[in-house]
Amino acid sequence: EDQVTQSPEALRLQEGESSSLNCSYTVSGLRGLFWYRQDPGKGPEFLFTLYSAGEEKEKERLKATLTKKESFLHITAPKPEDSATYLCAVQEETSGSRLTFGEGTQLTVNP
Amino acid sequence: DARVTQTPRHKVTEMGQEVTMRCQPILGHNTVFWYRQTMMQGLELLAYFRNRAPLDDSGMPKDRFSAEMPDATLATLKIQPSEPRDSAVYFCASGLTLGRFPGELFFGEGSRLTVL
Repeated sequence: EDQVTQSPEALRLQEGESSSLNCSYTVSGLRGLFWYRQDPGKGPEFLFTLYSAGEEKEKERLKATLTKKESFLHITAPKPEDSATYLCAVQEETSGSRLTFGEGTQLTVNP
Repeated sequence: DARVTQTPRHKVTEMGQEVTMRCQPILGHNTVFWYRQTMMQGLELLAYFRNRAPLDDSGMPKDRFSAEMPDATLATLKIQPSEPRDSAVYFCASGLTLGRFPGELFFGEGSRLTVL
């Protein structure tokens, strides 16, 4: 069974204080790893898809990287508007279109 | 601006009542998912459809939950009878799956269900 573990559960940063969120996964064959952002009372919003180890993608202050066992979401010089829950999800080769989500990391950026 | 539309946004009902949640996926998307989110379990997949055909409903309690796509513009999730443990936020998501590579999923705003 697919396993997705995110850490830390919660992270508080000061504005401008860079950090990383971790997503560890266990699948028999990775088809894709996804990062989503979720604001309170809203549905998850797509950020990135990574397909193979070594791949990196960037969007504004966010950069996602992928290895064979984990993915990192690096946040550079965060702003208060980056506060949200960040969710990682994996799609396994033999699972069709099914996504298995981690529990998320709740990020708070203080001004 | 294309978006997934879910109704109702909020529903409070009593135990034993039937609840129906509706979802209008983004036009042209061929894959529709129903997820449930709670504080304890996070996001759990209940069921999903591709080209309106149910592909996986293993996450759904079969005795009380049912999911259908009567047409390409409507997906429904029904709970009958509802129980307090069904209280959660139910999300619909749609995407375009082409060949091997998955597409990004677009989520609706969710339907918050409270069963008393």
